[in-house]
Amino acid sequence: QVQLVQSGAEVKKPGASVKVSCKASGYTFTNYYMHWVRQAPGQGLEWMGIINPSGGSTSYAQRLQGRVTMTRDTSTSTVYMELSSLRSEDTAVYYCAREGLSGSLGYWGQGTLVTVSS
Amino acid sequence: EIVLTQSPGTLSLSPGERATLSCGASQSVSSSYLAWYQQKPGQPPRLLIYGASSRATGIPDRFSGSGSGTDFTLTISRLEPEDFAVYYCQQYGSSPLTFGGGTKVEIK
Repeated sequence: QVQLVQSGAEVKKPGASVKVSCKASGYTFTNYYMHWVRQAPGQGLEWMGIINPSGGSTSYAQRLQGRVTMTRDTSTSTVYMELSSLRSEDTAVYYCAREGLSGSLGYWGQGTLVTVSS
Repeated sequence: EIVLTQSPGTLSLSPGERATLSCGASQSVSSSYLAWYQQKPGQPPRLLIYGASSRATGIPDRFSGSGSGTDFTLTISRLEPEDFAVYYCQQYGSSPLTFGGGTKVEIK
């Protein structure tokens, strides 16, 4: 069965960077695009960007351009999301989510809480 | 960017009642690339509906989606206790992907 397992919670200081991993299993890693979505405490869902695990091409939300980088390692079926120049507003649960049926997000990781605090 | 507006913000209903949730788009959603997700506290979202009206695998038939263009609806025919949650619509027809602000379905 499809599983997306994310790395553990992180606490970072303002200005630092964080890198969250998402290890996929149960399917052919390179066949499906992967998205990153975040959710601030008590708030809604915000799309961050997408990576094609096959070629590594990416597309990011404009408001995060320049701060977010998504990469993948096909040897371990893992995608990564790195966010730099962290600020308090980046405190959120970060999810990876795999495309499924016609592009909707059919499978989600368990989420990784990133807390930005001095 | 397509802005999705969900209404109402909160829906207070009793088990067994019918829930009707709305999602309006600022521009037409291409090819009905509209999905609905359910989220419970401490859990990731769960895909319910894709393509505006197709149920995802394992989703009970009390959940149904309809609509096209700029107006979409999620209907829960008879609320079960496990259906009380927050529901989000999402368009994935154009970049950036966007989500609505959510509708909380709470027990009356």
